Amino acid sequence: AQSVTQPDIHITVSEGASLELRCNYSYGATPYLFWYVQSPGQGLQLLLKYFSGDTLVQGIKGFEAEFKRSQSSFNLRKPSVHWSDAAEYFCAVGAFSSNTGKLIFGQGTTLQVKP
Amino acid sequence: ETGVTQTPRHLVMGMTNKKSLKCEQHLGHNAMYWYKQSAKKPLELMFVYSLEERVENNSVPSRFSPECPNSSHLFLHLHTLQPEDSALYLCASSQAGGTTGELFFGEGSRLTVL
Repeated sequence: AQSVTQPDIHITVSEGASLELRCNYSYGATPYLFWYVQSPGQGLQLLLKYFSGDTLVQGIKGFEAEFKRSQSSFNLRKPSVHWSDAAEYFCAVGAFSSNTGKLIFGQGTTLQVKP
Repeated sequence: ETGVTQTPRHLVMGMTNKKSLKCEQHLGHNAMYWYKQSAKKPLELMFVYSLEERVENNSVPSRFSPECPNSSHLFLHLHTLQPEDSALYLCASSQAGGTTGELFFGEGSRLTVL
């Protein structure tokens, strides 16, 4: 069965510091992988996605993620965190059929940014 | 309006009430979803509709009743809920059979059951 694990429930970084959020997945085939961000009181916004090709994908707001098949990981990175990046981040794996695009989400990582 | 719109944004109801959550998408998609987001738990997929037909129901209690009258609208009818049903209910849409697989989410309806 497909599953996603985000080992870190809560992370605190200083503004300007680098960030890496971890994501491990379990999926029988080539996965479709996503990172979403959720600000308080808001819905989920897509940061980036991986389907195939280059294993380093660029997203919005300066985020990037690297797909590592050997480690079943899709970690999210940002070289310099801004205070506005404080939010909850969700990794997801896509389980697609011909008529739907179902996503399986991890538990989420809450990012706190210190001034 | 653009994107996915959910109403109401906040709802407080008693256990004997009957209410409905509404979702509307303006993206031309033909698949719609209800997710439940509870504190400290992964998002739980509740229902999936594709081309207005329910294609998945993830063992959701019958006190939740979805309705998809057309490809742009999705409802979640609520009756005799329990306090543990208090959560953020998120609606999403996508292009069924598309290659991107991306879901577009609304801002959610925060439900409190007293």
